[in-house]
Amino acid sequence: GDSVTQMEGPVTLSEEAFLTINCTYTATGYPSLFWYVQYPGEGLQLLLKATKADDKGSNKGFEATYRKETTSFHLEKGSVQVSDSAVYFCALNRNTGNQFYFGTGTSLTVIP
Amino acid sequence: DTAVSQTPKYLVTQMGNDKSIKCEQNLGHDTMYWYKQDSKKFLKIMFSYNNKELIINETVPNRFSPKSPDKAHLNLHINSLELGDSAVYFCASSPQAGGPVEQFFGPGTRLTVL
Repeated sequence: GDSVTQMEGPVTLSEEAFLTINCTYTATGYPSLFWYVQYPGEGLQLLLKATKADDKGSNKGFEATYRKETTSFHLEKGSVQVSDSAVYFCALNRNTGNQFYFGTGTSLTVIP
Repeated sequence: DTAVSQTPKYLVTQMGNDKSIKCEQNLGHDTMYWYKQDSKKFLKIMFSYNNKELIINETVPNRFSPKSPDKAHLNLHINSLELGDSAVYFCASSPQAGGPVEQFFGPGTRLTVL
């Protein structure tokens, strides 16, 4: 069945460091891929998305490219800030149904 | 302005009690969901309704009963609460499937069972 596997955390980085959080997926067809972010004490909110192969989603300095050949959607940011401290979830939707599949979440802490 | 709202935000109760959590969305979406997030942040789908019809019903104890009076509301009733029910419960909504859709989440309800 469909699934998402993402890098286990927690991840701790210094401010201005480069961030990569790996995400790979298993799905039939051509799913849409998402990264959601959950700040402390809040609900999940969409960070970025990509709906077809080779699409790049970007927002707030974060980027992820939909790679069908490697079934991956890795999240990157060139220079993290303390305010990026949150839990990041990779997710997919198959576009033909209402089921969303979430990864286990990766906790990021950025220290000054 | 709130897109997906939940009440209450915090719920502290004793084992064995019955409680409800309410969810409302003003986005005009057709589909609503309940998720449970445990202390390790793992997110588990519980239920999904599409236009008031139950379409996803994962392996959840039958003490949990969702109710959708209309497509803008999805409530969660929990009978005979147990310690293991302590978690954060998130409501979400999305447009009708059939293309690239995203989910919109509520702020969560933190349930603590003592």
